[in-house]
Amino acid sequence: ETGVTQTPRHLVMGMTNKKSLKCEQHLGHNAMYWYKQSAKKPLELMFVYNFKEQTENNSVPSRFSPECPNSSHLFLHLHTLQPEDSALYLCASSHPKETQYFGPGTRLLVL
Amino acid sequence: AQSVAQPEDQVNVAEGNPLTVKCTYSVSGNPYLFWYVQYPNRGLQFLLKYITGDNLVKGSYGFEAEFNKSQTSFHLKKPTALVSDSALYFCAVNKAAGNKLTFGGGTRVLVKP
Repeated sequence: ETGVTQTPRHLVMGMTNKKSLKCEQHLGHNAMYWYKQSAKKPLELMFVYNFKEQTENNSVPSRFSPECPNSSHLFLHLHTLQPEDSALYLCASSHPKETQYFGPGTRLLVL
Repeated sequence: AQSVAQPEDQVNVAEGNPLTVKCTYSVSGNPYLFWYVQYPNRGLQFLLKYITGDNLVKGSYGFEAEFNKSQTSFHLKKPTALVSDSALYFCAVNKAAGNKLTFGGGTRVLVKP
């Protein structure tokens, strides 16, 4: 719908599992972002990549590991998560410093 | 540091009536201001933005917002609300030439028939 796709849309994982979230943008942007949206908190910026280089890590725990192999793809690798990590994870992309466009999100449940 | 406040958790309005969703911000320097809407189980959709120029900004689906520098506000408005406007609305701020959007807590809008 916005040119930013995310897979999977839903994910259930145990605390000892390793999984990855994928984001792909078809808008020709060079900046990509991961956000976390929890039920009781405002959207939290997690990571920012500009031209494949990480330019922002918003004090995110190391159990979240981002990867940006090229300007169109962004991954979030997850391992040994906690139940409080359950949330909607949103990917966005933009031209640097311009309007961000969001994907539909991955709804994550950690058991 | 930059911040956004959306003072109302929920706004209820009858269909056909005007809709206003409030937003105030704090940022050093000139602000870039945005409104997004989120429907259930969906990502955020961009509605409109203020960068510079005319204080009244028109966006998608009949929405508009007014930038007021003295009151540091950027309220979202729609003259005639529709039931389909029921959703979660987010205001966001970024300082000019910055790359870090800060979002408000969101305001749920419920338009009743």
